[in-house]
Amino acid sequence: NAGVMQNPRHLVRRRGQEARLRCSPMKGHSHVYWYRQLPEEGLKFMVYLQKENIIDESGMPKERFSAEFPKEGPSILRIQQVVRGDSAAYFCASSPQASGGGMNTEAFFGQGTRLTVV
Amino acid sequence: QQQVKQSPQSLIVQKGGISIINCAYENTAFDYFPWYQQFPGKGPALLIAIRPDVSEKKEGRFTISFNKSAKQFSLHIMDSQPGDSATYFCAATIKGGSEKLVFGKGTKLTVNP
Repeated sequence: NAGVMQNPRHLVRRRGQEARLRCSPMKGHSHVYWYRQLPEEGLKFMVYLQKENIIDESGMPKERFSAEFPKEGPSILRIQQVVRGDSAAYFCASSPQASGGGMNTEAFFGQGTRLTVV
Repeated sequence: QQQVKQSPQSLIVQKGGISIINCAYENTAFDYFPWYQQFPGKGPALLIAIRPDVSEKKEGRFTISFNKSAKQFSLHIMDSQPGDSATYFCAATIKGGSEKLVFGKGTKLTVNP
């Protein structure tokens, strides 16, 4: 039973390029969360998606960032025109239903994508 | 606005000692409080969690103490081992809705042999 798969593990982009981060949730999980972790900081919520729907994007920057979770395929976090301040670790978590409701709805995290903008 | 405050930032403990990490929250609507363990280069992994209707939860060497009136909760690691060396995050969420996790800034624990 594979866990949450994120790729790539490491991504280097020049300023102004686009970054695409992928997340395949655990089998049977239909809820996906994206979090960003800056160095020496905790994780910050970005967006919560279910299949084909964005449920909560209150943590997403208003510009350059977008996320999707199509009916088929992985969830994608897209960052357009990256800047150095986007350098961080981006984590995806999945759950069979909304996480935090109890141990049986636990969200499992992937190993993250470390984005470096040069 | 930091809704969950965690301390200390770093902690060094001798093998066999007790590690204590504290968190305080502001939002009284929070009703689920998990602790995550993260090793370098890895994603966070759920360690133990508690609801505010109990004051303590123990799983093996790990115990959460919860003080609802003070809006504080803490993680105690008994008989700390070098393998416990990791970064620990407390978090909080509200059941229902998006149930997004609000994390503390983390505590880097080092257990010396």
